[in-house]
Amino acid sequence: DAKTTQPPSMDCAEGRAANLPCNHSTISGNEYVYWYRQIHSQGPQYIIHGLKNNETNEMASLIITEDRKSSTLILPHATLRDTAVYYCIVRVALTGGGNKLTFGTGTQLKVEL
Amino acid sequence: SAVISQKPSRDICQRGTSLTIQCQVDSQVTMMFWYRQQPGQSLTLIATANQGSEATYESGFVIDKFPISRPNLTFSTLTVSNLSPEDSSIYLCSVVGGYNSPLHFGNGTRLTVT
Repeated sequence: DAKTTQPPSMDCAEGRAANLPCNHSTISGNEYVYWYRQIHSQGPQYIIHGLKNNETNEMASLIITEDRKSSTLILPHATLRDTAVYYCIVRVALTGGGNKLTFGTGTQLKVEL
Repeated sequence: SAVISQKPSRDICQRGTSLTIQCQVDSQVTMMFWYRQQPGQSLTLIATANQGSEATYESGFVIDKFPISRPNLTFSTLTVSNLSPEDSSIYLCSVVGGYNSPLHFGNGTRLTVT
């Protein structure tokens, strides 16, 4: 599995964009970048994933650099409910399909008034 | 996305006993995974539960300690055997429907061993 590196913590003001970086310099050509978040005492929640193109959904945007060695998750208008640990994960595909995910330590995002 | 129900949501068990955790999914899924999250730590994969075959365990996890069943495409159980305080963790079931599908998680089972 490609290893990912994230800052341990970040702060963001409510209403501002939260930009969470992730380095994955050893990513392979067929590996996807997934983002999950975990709000205290809940199971991880899927946010978004991508291969090489930028992706956007109702929750967030994912920007992947052209060399695919890093990515940024953008929460365009952070709210207090976005306070959580955010995990950047590179997927290893199992033979026959399926997603085995290896979690790092993530970034604790704290959104404040 | 799949709806995943885990039971129990929490339990307090005595040292030396076992706890079986159930994971029920509202649709048929190909892959099911069991994770452990120790206090203040990230998630660690225990094993992959395959329907119709033996579970595949990660390094450091063995079948005698963490037996898994996967009788059909919507259900799995994880048993944590011979409990010790070090087994106090959150245990999470996760599922994926197919290749490149996102992995979805249940809300976990919080186990405390006294």
